Amino acid sequence: GIQVEQSPPDLILQEGANSTLRCNFSDSVNNLQWFHQNPWGQLINLFYIPSGTKQNGRLSATTVATERYSLLYISSSQTTDSGVYFCALRGDSNYQLIWGAGTKLIIKP
Amino acid sequence: ETGVTQSPTHLIKTRGQQVTLRCSSQSGHNTVSWYQQALGQGPQFIFQYYREEENGRGNFPPRFSGLQFPNYSSELNVNALELDDSALYLCASSIGQGGQYFGAGTRLSVL
Repeated sequence: GIQVEQSPPDLILQEGANSTLRCNFSDSVNNLQWFHQNPWGQLINLFYIPSGTKQNGRLSATTVATERYSLLYISSSQTTDSGVYFCALRGDSNYQLIWGAGTKLIIKP
Repeated sequence: ETGVTQSPTHLIKTRGQQVTLRCSSQSGHNTVSWYQQALGQGPQFIFQYYREEENGRGNFPPRFSGLQFPNYSSELNVNALELDDSALYLCASSIGQGGQYFGAGTRLSVL
């Protein structure tokens, strides 16, 4: 089945710093989403981005489907950005989302 | 807020008991997916319902079952609870296989 790898597994930054999170996948996809899970467990849908680039405030994401990776950019980090960021995707022959292991981000004040 | 609501928020059961978790999907969404998330891990797909029919299932035993109602709300039932069933159970709604929007989850503890 399709494999998903996220990097880095952990990231600790000072408030105001920028960061790039990466998601590599092993096959073509028809659905790719980035989620933020806050410390209370709520999963927030950040981007639905099987291809191309999207921006929402301080966050942006790019998926290069032909090279099988997606990037999530966080600029001017705030402490509320802390949590775990997941990449989840669906391959052409799948009906379920396959999840990466996540990147745990800690933003220090 | 995503518009997806789950109940209850927390639940404590003992081994061998049965539990029912509920999910109301976002308005206009016809598909509900259920996930189990153990501490420190990513969500694991349990099953998906589309228009009241099970549309796909992950690697979970038959004691995990579900329903979807005409208003697209859904239930997850777990029989014969085991200690390893302790986890956060997440419901997500979508329009078909489009972007999924999650509820806040039900945290189940099995003692």
